[in-house]
Order: sequence, then structure tokens, then C-alpha cells
Amino acid sequence: NAGVMQNPRHLVRRRGQEARLRCSPMKGHSHVYWYRQLPEEGLKFMVYLQKENIIDESGMPKERFSAEFPKEGPSILRIQQVVRGDSAAYFCASSPVYMQGPSNEQFFGPGTRLTVL
Amino acid sequence: AQSVTQLDSHVSVSEGTPVLLRCNYSSSYSPSLFWYVQHPNKGLQLLLKYTSAATLVKGINGFEAEFKKSETSFHLTKPSAHMSDAAEYFCVVSGGSYIPTFGRGTSLIVHP
Repeated sequence: NAGVMQNPRHLVRRRGQEARLRCSPMKGHSHVYWYRQLPEEGLKFMVYLQKENIIDESGMPKERFSAEFPKEGPSILRIQQVVRGDSAAYFCASSPVYMQGPSNEQFFGPGTRLTVL
Repeated sequence: AQSVTQLDSHVSVSEGTPVLLRCNYSSSYSPSLFWYVQHPNKGLQLLLKYTSAATLVKGINGFEAEFKKSETSFHLTKPSAHMSDAAEYFCVVSGGSYIPTFGRGTSLIVHP
């Protein structure tokens, strides 16, 4: 059973370009979470999605950032008109059920490291 | 509301000596608590989790953690450090919210 897959692993963009990050959850998992990690910091929650639904996007910047998890295919985190401050590692995690209480942990992908020049 | 504080940003030990990584939490609900490890340029791997069962939790690679409600702590320990343990460690709390809260991380340095 393949783990959570993210691609690309490394992405370099110039200011003003668009970045598209992809995440394929573990087989059987229908919940996807996106996190951002800045240097020497913990992971910050961005968005929680189920198939075709955004459940919670409270951690996502209001502008330039969007996420989707279509019925078919991977989840996509899209950053438009990137700026240098968007440089970070972006992690995707998946879980099989609503994560609450005595629960399943989240399974993390290897991350996409975005560098904005 | 929930929060987690990792009390040390860096911990340095010699190989073969004990490891203690400290974590305090707060949660309005009965929390689930996790420790994850992150090796350089890798994703996070679960070490262990507490979910209201036994307060002493054993994880992978010889790590364990004890849930102490009175102290709101969930410290991570290992009797004898190995060079391969050098990594970043994150304490995570998940309470009534499905959104887990991560600590800032503790960098474990192991000297030969």
C-alpha cells in the first residue's frame, strides 16, 4: 500500500508565477489536509478537504491560495502570483476518517519544497 | 481551544545516554496526543500516540511517552540515544477540533 504521495518534491518559481502542488492520499483515505512549514517552525494547518468539498480553510490565506480535491485525481494546492514569502515546505496528510478523539493519526507525504526566486 | 508547547528548541545528548524531549499541552477537551519525527528533507512519521487508554505509551524505535494529566505534559523519552535518532521531533495535540496543533519542534542532536 503506497503511502501519501506528493509531487513535485522540489519546485522553483519566479515571483508572479503560479505554483501547483499535488497530493495523492493513501488508498482508502478520503480526507486530505495541507500544512505549511516555515524554517525552524512547526506545521501550520492550511486547509482540510474531503472529496469535492472544502471542510475547513481557516488556515489558508484569503488571497492567491486555493485548494481542491476532485472526485477523481489528486488534491491540488494552488498558489497564484507567488511571492518570496511563499517559500516553504508544503506537506499533505491524509486520514481515513474524521480525525477526532481516540482517533487515527494523519499520514504525511514527503512534502514539496517551494522556492520562490 | 488547544495549544502545545515544546519546552526546548534543541536537545543535545551523547550516543548511549537517555533522551528527554518535553511537551506541555492545553485542551478544552480530552486530548489525543502524538509525537512525530521528521528527518531532514523528509515527511513526518508517527512515533506514538495517546488516545485515552494507558497513560504510558510505547512507540517505535524504543521511544515512549507518559501522559500526565495533572501536569498537562506528554514528555518523550528513550533510554539510550542512537545516532539515527538525530532529527526534529514534533508534539501534537488534537482535542475537540479535527485540526491538530503542532508544537514548534525540538531538534535532537546526538554526539558520538
